Amino acid sequence: GQQVQQSPASLVLQEGENAELQCNFSTSLNSMQWFYQRPEGSLVSLFYNPSGTKQSGRLTSTTVIKERRSSLHISSSQITDSGTYLCAMERYYAQGLTFGLGTRVSVFP
Amino acid sequence: GALVYQYPRRTICKSGTSMRMECQAVGFQATSVAWYRQSPQKTFELIALSTVNSAIKYEQNFTQEKFPISHPNLSFSSMTVLNAYLEDRGLYLCGARDGHEQYFGPGTRLTVL
Repeated sequence: GQQVQQSPASLVLQEGENAELQCNFSTSLNSMQWFYQRPEGSLVSLFYNPSGTKQSGRLTSTTVIKERRSSLHISSSQITDSGTYLCAMERYYAQGLTFGLGTRVSVFP
Repeated sequence: GALVYQYPRRTICKSGTSMRMECQAVGFQATSVAWYRQSPQKTFELIALSTVNSAIKYEQNFTQEKFPISHPNLSFSSMTVLNAYLEDRGLYLCGARDGHEQYFGPGTRLTVL
């Protein structure tokens, strides 16, 4: 089964709304990362967050590693936030990432 | 800052031919390089992990015979897709790390005709 489960699969927002993306892991993990995938495919690393809460602008990531979950909060969404958000876990240190299927976010005016 | 370049960005090859792609780390030493593939409508899959001074480790469903990898120094890695077929199409990313975080290149998009 899927080791990294993301929810929801897709999300439609009106500009200015907040959103919460979830990531759950079926195994123990060493660390995790959140990415934004650009339309042409390349990845932008948003957070490397093995535990705790990190904030960058309107984005906040919270990882509770004991509970095998992480969330990405988008506040005051903007049209430019539209795209696919991926979370990925690293089960053991420096052993490569396992990605979730992503959450496709669409923000409309 | 840490940057990862990949070349070529896009490539087209005929079915049954081979295609080589390159990954260059700039501004840091890539002690390990991971190659990933995102097939159409799918998420990224790890192909193999190459760590300096260690054997290259391939994931299930990927083999050295099909995806030979070279990692000759701390800034460069290359991977070849041998005998490419339709199921090999997709976006190939390399992720290089020095420390905890992995930095990704922009990818090589492979189309197979």
